Amino acid sequence: TQLLEQSPQFLSIQEGENLTVYCNSSSVFSSLQWYRQEPGEGPVLLVTVVTGGEVKKLKRLTFQFGDARKDSSLHITAAQPGDTGLYLCAGEDTGTASKLTFGTGTRLQVTL
Amino acid sequence: DTEVTQTPKHLVMGMTNKKSLKCEQHMGHRAMYWYKQKAKKPPELMFVYSYEKLSINESVPSRFSPECPNSSLLNLHLHALQPEDSALYLCASSQAFNLGGSYTQYFGPGTRLTVL
Repeated sequence: TQLLEQSPQFLSIQEGENLTVYCNSSSVFSSLQWYRQEPGEGPVLLVTVVTGGEVKKLKRLTFQFGDARKDSSLHITAAQPGDTGLYLCAGEDTGTASKLTFGTGTRLQVTL
Repeated sequence: DTEVTQTPKHLVMGMTNKKSLKCEQHMGHRAMYWYKQKAKKPPELMFVYSYEKLSINESVPSRFSPECPNSSLLNLHLHALQPEDSALYLCASSQAFNLGGSYTQYFGPGTRLTVL
């Protein structure tokens, strides 16, 4: 069974601070997605990373896929209250394209 | 357009009711999914359809019955549910599995189901 551990589980910071969320596994994934989810809503796709070592930037968000495709990180620069939400990483199973393994989730709260 | 729509947004039903959840996408995706998400937990896969055929059933109780009438629509029929089935039900879609590359899943906004 593939597992994805996210850390930290919960993060409360002030506006303007930087943060990094980690997503780690002992399994290899063919790709990895990051989603942000607000209460009562569906996950919204932020990015898909496919190649080991890949770095993608989305405005103040920087995503990195580990060289071995077993881990990933999300770095947010100058966090804003609008960044508040549940961040989920999800790894695509290399053997079964139809299955995603979801991480345990990181709940981020950004206050003024 | 990367939109997946779901109706209804909220549903309250008794244990003897029959209801259906609906999902629609117009991205040309040929794989569609149902997930169940409990509070403060990640989504759990229930069913996967590929080219309108059921390809994965994650040992879901028979009181949940999926249906894929065409390539754009996915239904989840509910009957004789239990209070513990109360959750957020999410639909997702992705490109077909035989095309190679990444199968990024796009999620709908979900249906908040409460079983009394």
